[in-house]
Amino acid sequence: GAGVSQSPSNKVTEKGKDVELRCDPISGHTALYWYRQRLGQGLEFLIYFQGNSAPDKSGLPSDRFSAERTGESVSTLTIQRTQQEDSAVYLCASSPDRGRGSEKLFFGSGTQLSVL
Amino acid sequence: AQSVTQLDSQVPVFEEAPVELRCNYSSSVSVYLFWYVQYPNQGLQLLLKYLSGSTLVKGINGFEAEFNKSQTSFHLRKPSVHISDTAEYFCAVRSTSYGKLTFGQGTILTVHP
Repeated sequence: GAGVSQSPSNKVTEKGKDVELRCDPISGHTALYWYRQRLGQGLEFLIYFQGNSAPDKSGLPSDRFSAERTGESVSTLTIQRTQQEDSAVYLCASSPDRGRGSEKLFFGSGTQLSVL
Repeated sequence: AQSVTQLDSQVPVFEEAPVELRCNYSSSVSVYLFWYVQYPNQGLQLLLKYLSGSTLVKGINGFEAEFNKSQTSFHLRKPSVHISDTAEYFCAVRSTSYGKLTFGQGTILTVHP
């Protein structure tokens, strides 16, 4: 595809359920990020994948959150036992960056997660 | 680690007025600096970036930003805003040797007619 694709665009779930969010980055992009944007707040870093390096998981808020990426393709963010405070827009971004840090990020449209 | 502080959460201005959105960063290493914009109901997109060289960088839609190393600032400016500039603007920083990008809290710019 032409851009970063995220699915689903909207997800409503009940407290305590697990959810899985998907991100398809731009083909060839080695770097992939997940951010969270709560209503009225900035972008909160969650996790960063760069090529075959170990991911930077320093932003994951709890052990209920995990993410995987297969090679340089699809990534899934999983939230177990969802809580109401998990409600937010989850944004994925990719970049052709090979560790230089100078390339721009291309963002997806996000997944709006609502936990009831 | 790096951090970013955007000093104004909301900036209202009238059309054709100048605007400055302030950004300060903290880092113990050399950094690259970015401004991203999020228009209503759209995804984030890059406005401009500073990597090296001239401290004044120009971006899309007439925006520019100046890197000030001594004041650790990267303020965004536009001499005359339009209604269409209404959006949320995010300042971001990353180390020159590691790719994690850290964003500020965002500034909502509202341009009134």
